[in-house]
Amino acid sequence: QSALTQPRSVSGSPGQSVTISCTGTSSDVGGYNYVSWYQQHPGKAPKLMIYDVSKRPSGVPDRFSGSKSGNTASLTISGLQAEDEADYYCCSYAGSYTFEVFGGGTKLTVL
Amino acid sequence: QVQLQESGPGLVKPSQTLSLTCTVSGGSISSGGYYWSWIRQHPGKGLEWIGYIYYSGSTYYNPSLKSRVTISVDTSKNQFSLKLSSVTAADTAVYYCARGVEMATIFDYWGQGTLVTVSS
Repeated sequence: QSALTQPRSVSGSPGQSVTISCTGTSSDVGGYNYVSWYQQHPGKAPKLMIYDVSKRPSGVPDRFSGSKSGNTASLTISGLQAEDEADYYCCSYAGSYTFEVFGGGTKLTVL
Repeated sequence: QVQLQESGPGLVKPSQTLSLTCTVSGGSISSGGYYWSWIRQHPGKGLEWIGYIYYSGSTYYNPSLKSRVTISVDTSKNQFSLKLSSVTAADTAVYYCARGVEMATIFDYWGQGTLVTVSS
């Protein structure tokens, strides 16, 4: 069982928006502003999409945005495109004993 | 452009030690601020952080794997390595090496991953 809880799947039509949640505890998501999101296409390595809760690396479209409220972080993808269909994972810093914890992943289907 | 490449045996027998090496190009492991990481993904499952090492040799491990994991660094070869002892079928996974920025959950460059199967 993963440390962070994500919905197993979400879906949306092209052009729509979807939000993926990532729920942890006050010891990880709620305790630090170190939450990142990764996109993984089948057979490929994960790709960093969001870091520090809401910052985008260079090259990531501004359709991807991140936020956090309490113990839950969220990734929102607006203007869905076919190429956004992938698995998405959240990750949070969890202190100086556990360090890093991932969510179980969410499969995004673009209808 | 930083690139990472995993190498090592794709098949390991139960109870033996899994050994993988990650070769870094396009940047120096000795550059400060980066934590050189191992992350694995069981077949069809999610990601699991194994641990990371700073260029100085300081290591940080997942508590659930700590008793079996050793991560080391060879700055002269610009490589870092993973050893996982006493493996079982539950250690069958794709193993990724990645660069972590600070200790802030930012894994910005990843290797392509290598599948390690534990089987007799």
